[in-house]
Amino acid sequence: GIQVEQSPPDLILQEGANSTLRCNFSDSVNNLQWFHQNPWGQLINLFYIPSGTKQNGRLSATTVATERYSLLYISSSQTTDSGVYFCAVVRKAAGNKLTFGGGTRVLVKP
Amino acid sequence: DVKVTQSSRYLVKRTGEKVFLECVQDMDHENMFWYRQDPGLGLRLIYFSYDVKMKEKGDIPEGYSVSREKKERFSLILESASTNQTSMYLCASRAGEALGPDTQYFGPGTRLTVL
Repeated sequence: GIQVEQSPPDLILQEGANSTLRCNFSDSVNNLQWFHQNPWGQLINLFYIPSGTKQNGRLSATTVATERYSLLYISSSQTTDSGVYFCAVVRKAAGNKLTFGGGTRVLVKP
Repeated sequence: DVKVTQSSRYLVKRTGEKVFLECVQDMDHENMFWYRQDPGLGLRLIYFSYDVKMKEKGDIPEGYSVSREKKERFSLILESASTNQTSMYLCASRAGEALGPDTQYFGPGTRLTVL
């Protein structure tokens, strides 16, 4: 099946810093989503981004489908950005399901 | 406000016990999912269902079964719990297909410990 690798596995930031999270995938995909899991375990969808660039407040994401990677940018990080960020992909040939990467654990210090 | 609820946040069971994890969604979604989450491995799909009484195996179905008797409820069953099933279990639901932009909504998770 498709492999989804996220880097770095862990990230410690000072409040106000910017950062980039990366998601590489091993085959072409039809859908890619980014999720944030807060420290209490709740997972929230951030972006649906099979290609191109999207922005939502201090977060933005870019997917370059032809090169099989996606980037999530966090600008002016806040302590509420702490948690685990997952990317997940869908391949039509693999059926109607998401395949998740291992996640990037982010800790933003005040 | 959309809601996916799970019956327990924390659960401790003994090896060999039969364990039921319940998930309920109030959004009239067709699709429901059970995942387990382990450090460094992300979320792995155990089973999913796209309709009442329908179920499909995910990537790691061994040792698990599911039941979907009503549209809003999707149950995960561990027939005989083992220590390697100690994990965080997450339920999710979605209106449309994964190929589209529909958001997948997650429950708060159940942290299961098998002793």
